[in-house]
Amino acid sequence: GENVEQHPSTLSVQEGDSAVIKCTYSDSASNYFPWYKQELGKRPQLIIDIRSNVGEKKDQRIAVTLNKTAKHFSLHITETQPEDSAVYFCAASIGRDFGNEKLTFGTGTRLTIIP
Amino acid sequence: DSGVTQTPKHLITATGQRVTLRCSPRSGDLSVYWYQQSLDQGLQFLIQYYNGEERAKGNILERFSAQQFPDLHSELNLSSLELGDSALYFCASSPVRGAGGEAFFGQGTRLTVV
Repeated sequence: GENVEQHPSTLSVQEGDSAVIKCTYSDSASNYFPWYKQELGKRPQLIIDIRSNVGEKKDQRIAVTLNKTAKHFSLHITETQPEDSAVYFCAASIGRDFGNEKLTFGTGTRLTIIP
Repeated sequence: DSGVTQTPKHLITATGQRVTLRCSPRSGDLSVYWYQQSLDQGLQFLIQYYNGEERAKGNILERFSAQQFPDLHSELNLSSLELGDSALYFCASSPVRGAGGEAFFGQGTRLTVV
């Protein structure tokens, strides 16, 4: 089955600096790669996603890059703010006609923004 | 509000007991996923249903089972509970869409086994 590895497990960044979280996946059939943010005690929420026919996607301060050949993808957060502090999960799935299949998550990165 | 409803929000039960967690997906979403999140751990994929049929299985214990009903709500049954089963159980649903799409999570059911 799919295996998603995520690094680092914890990351502390000075406010205003950039943060980068990296993930690798094992199943070459995976074609959909979302990133979720989970604040303490709350449900995970999608912040950005990318499909395998795209190499990079950006949404304001957040960007995701995908290297299909190397089977890795990364989340980049620029100009970090205190509200960016949370746990971030990457995921990979096989997109089918009916939606996601085998939506597998990485182990998470606890991001702390230092004021 | 994601539109995914999970009940109950909290559940405390004793070892050896059986519990049922319920999930109502977003209106129109045919896919339902169950995840287990232990303290400070990631989201462990348990099982996925699509339109009433099991579609994918993760690391789900034999003591656990699930089903999706004709009205698309899903139930996760946990039996012979052990202390280690204490965790936050999330349900998520996603719409029918080619090449993947956002999975919307419920608020979770926090299970405490004592």
